Amino acid sequence: KAGVTQTPRYLIKTRGQQVTLSCSPISGHRSVSWYQQTPGQGLQFLFEYFSETQRNKGNFPGRFSGRQFSNSRSEMNVSTLELGDSALYLCASRDSQNTEAFFGQGTRLTVV
Amino acid sequence: QKEVEQNSGPLSVPEGAIASLNCTYSDRGSQSFFWYRQYSGKSPELIMSIYSNGDKEDGRFTAQLNKASQYVSLLIRDSQPSDSATYLCAVKNNFNKFYFGSGTKLNVKP
Repeated sequence: KAGVTQTPRYLIKTRGQQVTLSCSPISGHRSVSWYQQTPGQGLQFLFEYFSETQRNKGNFPGRFSGRQFSNSRSEMNVSTLELGDSALYLCASRDSQNTEAFFGQGTRLTVV
Repeated sequence: QKEVEQNSGPLSVPEGAIASLNCTYSDRGSQSFFWYRQYSGKSPELIMSIYSNGDKEDGRFTAQLNKASQYVSLLIRDSQPSDSATYLCAVKNNFNKFYFGSGTKLNVKP
């Protein structure tokens, strides 16, 4: 069974640009959560999608948005990038029964 | 107050010793608790989950949960240098939200 796949693995963007990250969950998993990880703040919850609906949301500005498609793949978008958005972005998938979350390899975003 | 608190460490133990990692959480209604291991530059990997009070053992790992004290711990017996990593405690509350601690860095010295 394939794991959680995130693309791209690395990104370099300029301040003010926007970026879209993709996450394909484990087959059969309908929940996808996104996290931002930085050395100073640790792992912070962005949002969770379940069956194409946003189920939970963390305390991030509206520049951070996401969506989920009918095949459970999810995208996260960050608009008007700031230097402080440089981080490792992780997505995690869960199925509807099991509460354990499994992480993808992450996307390392660098904003210059 | 953070939802999940962990000592950032580093915690240094000699090879073969028991490493004890601790975590406290603030939401008394939390029901599910998890330990993840994260090697430098890698994504978190699930080690253990625990849902009821008491101990849960899996190989060299034992998770302990005390809901009355809002306390979760992870014991690693016979620690190996390959156990050197950051250990993240995660808690899921009744609203299905996951909260992660900032992690404890463990160094196992040969």
